Amino acid sequence: QKEVEQDPGPLSVPEGAIVSLNCTYSNSAFQYFMWYRQYSRKGPELLMYTYSSGNKEDGRFTAQVDKSSKYISLFIRDSQPSDSATYLCAMSVAAGNKLTFGGGTRVLVKP
Amino acid sequence: EAQVTQNPRYLITVTGKKLTVTCSQNMNHEYMSWYRQDPGLGLRQIYYSMNVEVTDKGDVPEGYKVSRKEKRNFPLILESPSPNQTSLYFCASSFNRGGGYTFGSGTRLTVV
Repeated sequence: QKEVEQDPGPLSVPEGAIVSLNCTYSNSAFQYFMWYRQYSRKGPELLMYTYSSGNKEDGRFTAQVDKSSKYISLFIRDSQPSDSATYLCAMSVAAGNKLTFGGGTRVLVKP
Repeated sequence: EAQVTQNPRYLITVTGKKLTVTCSQNMNHEYMSWYRQDPGLGLRQIYYSMNVEVTDKGDVPEGYKVSRKEKRNFPLILESPSPNQTSLYFCASSFNRGGGYTFGSGTRLTVV
C-alpha cells in the first residue's frame, strides 16, 4: 500500500463548478501538507502549503487537513478551463524535508 | 525572478555514456532535491541535500550521484546511464524552515 493515496481520475467538471480533490495517508508523522498543480510537460507549481490540521484559503482555493482521519482536501471554486491540470498532494514530516507525493488527480474543466 | 533552472530540457543519450543534468536556484534555499516522475509511479525522490556538502539518498538512488559544492547548484550525475533511467527529472528547492518547494521545469531524458 502506498504511503499517500490519491484517486487518479480523470475528474471532469463543467466550468464554474467546485472541484473537490482529496488524499489519504498512512504516516501519522506527516505535519506539512501541500498541493501542487502540474500542467502537461511542466514542473509542479505550489498552490497551497499548510501546517498541521485546519483550513487555509487563498483566492479560489481552500485546503483542509484532518490529521485525525489522515485526510486532506483541496477545493477549487468557480473552476475555469485553465484549471485543467494534474493536481498532486504532497506531505512531509518536517519543514524543508523529503516530500512524499500522491499519484496525482487529472482534472478537466469543460467550457 | 525566483526560479529553479535545469539544463538541458531534453536529452537523448546512449547506454553507458556519462551525463550531468545541472540545477541552479537563485532563492538562497538550503534544501535541494532531485525527483524522477514515471507513469504509474508518480514522483519519487532520488537524492537530497540539506545544505552545502550535505547530501543523502532518497527512495531511488541507484545509478545516480550528486554533489553540493555551492549552495545554489545541485547537479545530478548518471555515470553509466541505462534504459531504465529514461524518465522525466525534476529539481526542487526549499528553505529548511519550510514554505513549500519550488520545482524546475524538468529534464526529459531518454537512454537508448
